Amino acid sequence: AQSVAQPEDQVNVAEGNPLTVKCTYSVSGNPYLFWYVQYPNRGLQFLLKYITGDNLVKGSYGFEAEFNKSQTSFHLKKPSALVSDSALYFCAVRERFGGYNKLIFGAGTRLAVHP
Amino acid sequence: SQTIHQWPATLVQPVGSPLSLECTVEGTSNPNLYWYRQAAGRGLQLLFYSVGIGQISSEVPQNLSASRPQDRQFILSSKKLLLSDSGFYLCASLGRGGAIDTQYFGPGTRLTVL
Repeated sequence: AQSVAQPEDQVNVAEGNPLTVKCTYSVSGNPYLFWYVQYPNRGLQFLLKYITGDNLVKGSYGFEAEFNKSQTSFHLKKPSALVSDSALYFCAVRERFGGYNKLIFGAGTRLAVHP
Repeated sequence: SQTIHQWPATLVQPVGSPLSLECTVEGTSNPNLYWYRQAAGRGLQLLFYSVGIGQISSEVPQNLSASRPQDRQFILSSKKLLLSDSGFYLCASLGRGGAIDTQYFGPGTRLTVL
């Protein structure tokens, strides 16, 4: 079965500093990986996905993620954090069986950006 | 892209009362639809998924049920709510077409059972 792990419950960053939110995966076959962000009392918003191709994927709001096959990681990054980036971030991997797709989510990482 | 509507946005219900949460989708046809529950602002638990009208699969045994009366309508129900049914309920849609699709989420319903 596919799975993802987000090893950090919370990440604290000063505004203007680079940020990294970690995600590792365990899959059979080629991984299809996703990052979502959730603001308080809101639904999840899609940020970016890796399917194939370049290992560096660019997404919404200046975020990017680096796919590393040897380390089975898909860390989310941003060069300069904003206070408004403070939110809950989820990594996910696609699981497919019988023509049906579903996403397996990590437990989430809370990002706090301090002024 | 797809737009997912959910209502109500918030709901407070007594234990033992019935429940009906509705989700509708725009911008796609014949989507896969999903109901998730999120407890304590963290992890997501997949409750139900549907690949078509009248086709419902349950991921976990529980007090809830789901129905899909129309292609872009997905309903979450309960005959008698339990305290443990409290949480944030999210509907999601995965449109068809292409090898890999992106799952989009609705704004959620906050359910409090007292």
